Amino acid sequence: GAVVSQHPSRVICKSGTSVKIECRSLDFQATTMFWYRQFPKQSLMLMATSNEGSKATYEQGVEKDKFLINHASLTLSTLTVTSAHPEDSSFYICSATNLRGTSQETQYFGPGTRLLVL
Amino acid sequence: KQEVTQIPAALSVPEGENLVLNCSFTDSAIYNLQWFRQDPGKGLTSLLLIQSSQREQTSGRLNASLDKSSGRSTLYIAASQPGDSATYLCALSGTYKYIFGTGTRLKVLA
Repeated sequence: GAVVSQHPSRVICKSGTSVKIECRSLDFQATTMFWYRQFPKQSLMLMATSNEGSKATYEQGVEKDKFLINHASLTLSTLTVTSAHPEDSSFYICSATNLRGTSQETQYFGPGTRLLVL
Repeated sequence: KQEVTQIPAALSVPEGENLVLNCSFTDSAIYNLQWFRQDPGKGLTSLLLIQSSQREQTSGRLNASLDKSSGRSTLYIAASQPGDSATYLCALSGTYKYIFGTGTRLKVLA
């Protein structure tokens, strides 16, 4: 149980285009989802936290107008990278929990999406 | 602010060795500590989860310990195999956020 999927697994796009990444919880209701970014040979950095039906909370330094997050249902969150540029190339990983932002939840991670902006 | 450090950053060992990976954190007010494995270009695989009230967890050849008072966790891998080669990440949950360590890149030589 507790499977999280991401789509697509890999995307290559031209600079200036927008890219949407989906994160789905397959067998549980995810009240909270997290989006992380990982640059090569670096650890994961939390970008934002989204609760179903409310606006996402962004970490310091993350542009909310560039990284649009929508958590419209209990099983789906989307991250849209708007007007992507080469510096946005990274590995994006989502995670999901089924407890609303409490401290002792376990996060279940998706397989990641590799974005390459040319 | 919680800071999580993993030592060593990289490790190369011959097959069959027992090894220890370290994870240090600065704020002992944590709830869970989780160890993950990440293969190159892939997502995370959860290995072991230790809740704050626990001191260790075991799964097969893996044993993870947690000492909140000293701000340390260790991941012990017994009888290492080439298939264990990966990056190992520890992550702490405090105020619902996970904070990841810097990672240890392990290579087990056949």
